[in-house]
Amino acid sequence: RKEVEQDPGPFNVPEGATVAFNCTYSNSASQSFFWYRQDCRKEPKLLMSVYSSGNEDGRFTAQLNRASQYISLLIRDSKLSDSATYLCVVTNNNDMRFGAGTRLTVKP
Amino acid sequence: DGGITQSPKYLFRKEGQNVTLSCEQNLNHDAMYWYRQDPGQGLRLIYYSQIVNDFQKGDIAEGYSVSREKKESFPLTVTSAQKNPTAFYLCASKASGGPGPFFGPGTRLTVL
Repeated sequence: RKEVEQDPGPFNVPEGATVAFNCTYSNSASQSFFWYRQDCRKEPKLLMSVYSSGNEDGRFTAQLNRASQYISLLIRDSKLSDSATYLCVVTNNNDMRFGAGTRLTVKP
Repeated sequence: DGGITQSPKYLFRKEGQNVTLSCEQNLNHDAMYWYRQDPGQGLRLIYYSQIVNDFQKGDIAEGYSVSREKKESFPLTVTSAQKNPTAFYLCASKASGGPGPFFGPGTRLTVL
């Protein structure tokens, strides 16, 4: 079993749709969690941290479920510019593990 | 401007040659990392360093070497022993206890 697993996608959604990604992790000692966005042929960029209580940044909401060992990212009112690959990251001290990413395409 | 720089952006190498990829950060981050990304795949950890003069192998260290003589710099050498070096190489850094990591723009290495 991989340490971090993501929905492989691709997700193809119309503009304005709500879309959710999940990411499961195997190490119960994991401490910190993040979502990244990666555009084609570019470096990943930090989108948001994920806190136990859940957190929101505009149209984006991140949730953590420690009991079931998964994190989620919800995007509301999708924009064309949201098209990208979304990576989850699970860390334990400075040991960081990346998911393989979920590809999202938002269509007009 | 604070950030992470990598050079060169594109690099072409002949088989049998060693090549060194540069990574510099002025964020005063303690930890630095090298990842490899192949088309359509996730990031795989090559090496990481938490402090100067110390580094650890990641999941795919064979055929690579690193040094950490300065806090700001973490160069990666791709040796001729690396069987499939053509890939996108990403350097990253992170502050202890902080969010991240934060990535440099990457180097695309092609072996001819």
